[in-house]
Amino acid sequence: EPEVTQTPSHQVTQMGQEVILRCVPISNHLYFYWYRQILGQKVEFLVSFYNNEISEKSEIFDDQFSVERPDGSNFTLKIRSTKLEDSAMYFCASSERYSGANVLTFGAGSRLTVL
Amino acid sequence: GNSVTQMEGPVTLSEEAFLTINCTYTATGYPSLFWYVQYPGEGLQLLLKATKADDKGSNKGFEATYRKETTSFHLEKGSVQVSDSAVYFCALSDLRTGGSYIPTFGRGTSLIVHP
Repeated sequence: EPEVTQTPSHQVTQMGQEVILRCVPISNHLYFYWYRQILGQKVEFLVSFYNNEISEKSEIFDDQFSVERPDGSNFTLKIRSTKLEDSAMYFCASSERYSGANVLTFGAGSRLTVL
Repeated sequence: GNSVTQMEGPVTLSEEAFLTINCTYTATGYPSLFWYVQYPGEGLQLLLKATKADDKGSNKGFEATYRKETTSFHLEKGSVQVSDSAVYFCALSDLRTGGSYIPTFGRGTSLIVHP
């Protein structure tokens, strides 16, 4: 069964460092997403991406965050200068469609620890 | 705005016990409702969904009924197995102001089933 692949599974970084989280979505999916979950809290939407541009973003997704699809297969989330509060599990997801009954396929997540 | 509230975990049960995980939602429109499950080391995957009031979603012995009058979508299973141990996420998808359908998730409820 097709799956979404995320790397790394766990990254530890120092505050202020840049981090890039990578995702390979399902090949025939057109819509891509990043969510995050701070320990014990809700899974929060960060950004959605379609046709090589951001289609929607939350208030969490400020200027420190960026996304791109550099080569037509990878979908990356960059955090320019990490803060302690960026420590979370980051989930990538993809979907075929963009509708009310939309089902997302998620990766296993990348755990980011900022020291 | 949209939100999902799930019961706090962990829920700890013995094998063959009856399971209920409560989920209530707030939405401005008429959302579709979902349960996703995350097994250890894996990504979130769709367990079941319902798109209109009184619909019952079911899969792998799990059921949830879309109750518009109580804005609830409680997950139930008559007899749990050790292999059901996982984190369960309730979610909704509703038309947003910008014309998109970005799923909103709860915080997840951890289920631990003992033999």
